[in-house]
Amino acid sequence: GEDVEQSLFLSVREGDSSVINCTYTDSSSTYLYWYKQEPGAGLQLLTYIFSNMDMKQDQRLTVLLNKKDKHLSLRIADTQTGDSAIYFCAESMERAGKSTFGDGTTLTVKP
Amino acid sequence: GAGVSQSPSNKVTEKGKDVELRCDPISGHTALYWYRQSLGQGLEFLIYFQGNSAPDKSGLPSDRFSAERTGGSVSTLTIQRTQQEDSAVYLCASSDYSSRTPNEQFFGPGTRLTVL
Repeated sequence: GEDVEQSLFLSVREGDSSVINCTYTDSSSTYLYWYKQEPGAGLQLLTYIFSNMDMKQDQRLTVLLNKKDKHLSLRIADTQTGDSAIYFCAESMERAGKSTFGDGTTLTVKP
Repeated sequence: GAGVSQSPSNKVTEKGKDVELRCDPISGHTALYWYRQSLGQGLEFLIYFQGNSAPDKSGLPSDRFSAERTGGSVSTLTIQRTQQEDSAVYLCASSDYSSRTPNEQFFGPGTRLTVL
């Protein structure tokens, strides 16, 4: 079945760039997502990318997809303390249906 | 409502008791999901409802867990004879096929369940 893996923790200094990595196993994955979970809240979609794209940029966020290696990354430029949260990678094969989530990467931003 | 709501926000119960957790999805959303998030753990899929189709129950950890969705809207997750390992945050999400972002799931704030 589908599997999505992420490293569990990342710590950076304020102002640095953060790179959160994710690998997935299902080559049929069509949509790949990054969700953010702030303390005490549910998840919120940050950005997504179609599997036929290599890169997507949205303000401070850059998503890179290496479909051959089934590797997805999220780069946050100029990381701020407000970016401290848990970041979940997820994949979906369909426009509607189940998504498979990774275990989440806890990003800690130190001042 | 404006978003997905869940109730109660916190629930403390004794081992062996039954609990019911409620989810109100975004109005008009056809899909509804339940997940469990244990301390320090990722998101564990429990069950998925899509329209009038039979629910995907493949993630339910035991027959003590069940869920229903009435009238295609509100959903209730029931845990019978609760155990301490059931302690977790239970998250509900909803989505709609017509969403601009494919398969974007909108999450509620969760119900924190503590079994003593």
